[in-house]
Amino acid sequence: EAGVAQSPRYKIIEKRQSVAFWCNPISGHATLYWYQQILGQGPKLLIQFQNNGVVDDSQLPKDRFSAERLKGVDSTLKIQPAKLEDSAVYLCASSRASSGNTIYFGEGSWLTVV
Amino acid sequence: GQNIDQPTEMTATEGAIVQINCTYQTSGFNGLFWYQQHAGEAPTFLSYNVLDGLEEKGRFSSFLSRSKGYSYLLLKELQMKDSASYLCAVREPNDYKLSFGAGTTVTVRA
Repeated sequence: EAGVAQSPRYKIIEKRQSVAFWCNPISGHATLYWYQQILGQGPKLLIQFQNNGVVDDSQLPKDRFSAERLKGVDSTLKIQPAKLEDSAVYLCASSRASSGNTIYFGEGSWLTVV
Repeated sequence: GQNIDQPTEMTATEGAIVQINCTYQTSGFNGLFWYQQHAGEAPTFLSYNVLDGLEEKGRFSSFLSRSKGYSYLLLKELQMKDSASYLCAVREPNDYKLSFGAGTTVTVRA
């Protein structure tokens, strides 16, 4: 089956600009995650969706980050305005909505803010 | 919340065995995952433990003790391609939230 798709793979923007990342999960996966991974650290959960509802967004910096999953399939993560510390890899992952199911990651969107 | 600890770095020789430990303190538990992440790539799934004991999958094995909040990943017959970061992750029971440790960078030397 096709994996988790993300785009763009790489993006360089200046601080205070905006950027959007897109994710298409594995077909049939109800749960979708966005993680931020700063170089040398483990992934940090930003937001988790169950179908089109938000399960957890406690670590999402809501003053500048937003995410949506309107039809319960694709998702978009937006940053506006970007800061230098937002430079990271943004990983999208998905899983079936039940215990014991593996979480699969996309290849990530690499953001550099200059 | 989750507090997940693992060593930062480990080095081993090709053909040897390395054990990566992970300890966790969590408000809930619904499984522990190990992921492998090569530099510049996304994490890939290695193993999943939800019950106590050892799960073996080829050269990789993973162990879990829920009472001790402890897991390890055992890599046998190390190969150069095993040089990567290994991430321990714990899932919470109600909403399947997955929290990661900082990762252990394993370097395999000839």
